[in-house]
Order: sequence, then structure tokens, then C-alpha cells
Amino acid sequence: NAGVMQNPRHLVRRRGQEARLRCSPMKGHSHVYWYRQLPEEGLKFMVYLQKENIIDESGMPKERFSAEFPKEGPSILRIQQVVRGDSAAYFCASSPGQGTPLMNTEAFFGQGTRLTVV
Amino acid sequence: AQKITQTQPGMFVQEKEAVTLDCTYDTSDQSYGLFWYKQPSSGEMIFLIYQGSYDEQNATEGRYSLNFQKARKSANLVISASQLGDSAMYFCAMKVPGAGSYQLTFGKGTKLSVIP
Repeated sequence: NAGVMQNPRHLVRRRGQEARLRCSPMKGHSHVYWYRQLPEEGLKFMVYLQKENIIDESGMPKERFSAEFPKEGPSILRIQQVVRGDSAAYFCASSPGQGTPLMNTEAFFGQGTRLTVV
Repeated sequence: AQKITQTQPGMFVQEKEAVTLDCTYDTSDQSYGLFWYKQPSSGEMIFLIYQGSYDEQNATEGRYSLNFQKARKSANLVISASQLGDSAMYFCAMKVPGAGSYQLTFGKGTKLSVIP
């Protein structure tokens, strides 16, 4: 859905550098989810955030990865000291909030950021 | 834990024909939602169709319909009158309420190629 904006679309980093991925949710959405898609795989959940609050980071690697969703500005997924295995497509999705019934809950995805670590 | 299985890594279909993409799911929850997404070569994830576990009718959206067989735990996507633009990866996904209700669990996908 074009309403969720991710940038950059493509990001190349050398091993050991930091990668910062940005996600602006759809207007009116206060919940953001990050997913990772490795080559030839489906998407895997990483983290779920509300404004200024991490709700669930059970899918995040324990080291080097962090996420935030500040009061103002986009959500940021940060990967420190990148390694070749971090090369993947990272998708952000947003939804109106947990009050939305399951039946109407559908995650609207951004176009993704393709991270390549060289 | 939830699991989605898509057993067809790749499928071919002739233009204007119908095609069925298979999806089976595993959950012990009675309430859940099933989703299909399309991922063209450009990479974005496009929501196609949704089916709730308590919906009595199969979901339809234009040329897309979901063949929901609850007892068999299957949620196959049917695309009628295939078009060249339907060539893409297709992912089945599931969400359940409760803890982790915000997480979509995805299958590995099926690559559909439409032949002119």
C-alpha cells in the first residue's frame, strides 16, 4: 500500500557499518511492524511498536538490532555492525491499532528496503 | 504456534485460465484470520484477500477468491482469468488473536508464471 512509506528503497553497506531503515506509517495509523524477508523465504516478524513503546520484539535478533518509534518522526530499524547475513528485504507495515477487530485487521505494507551488505 | 504451508514452489498457468494456489495452515485457535499477498518482481507486498475463521462464505475480491475448507485447514487462492500481470510470488499468511495477535505468520510462497 502506497500509504506506508519506507526509505531508502535500496541500501548498500559494507560489513561493520550501520544501517538505518525508516518507516512512516499510513496516516492515522499508530502501530508499526517490521518484518524481514530473506531470499526465497516468506516474511518473518521482527518487532511491533506503538509510539514511544516497543510492544513485542520477540522476532528481533538479540544483538545488533534495535527499533524505535518516537513521538515525532518515522519508525527506525537500526542494524549495527552489519554482516553479510543481514542482507535481506525489510518491510514495514502499519495498522490503526489493537482496538481494531481481528476481522478487519490487515497490515498495510510499505515497498520495503533492500539491504545489501558487501 | 502457527504454521503456514505452501507446497507449490512454482506454478504455470496459461493466460485467461484459472489457477489455484494451495495453502494449508495449522493452529489450535478457533478464531483466526487468513490473508493472501502478492509480491511482484518490483518487491512490494500487495494485500489481495482476507478470510476470517468464522466467515461462512468464501471471500471474493474481483478475480480472486479464497476456497476456505475449515475442516481440512486449507485456504487456497483461486485466480480466475489469469493475466500476464498476475505473474508474481504469492504468500499465504495467518493471524490469531491473543498474545502475538499483531503478527502475521507467512508461508514460503508460490511463484506463479502466466504464459501468453
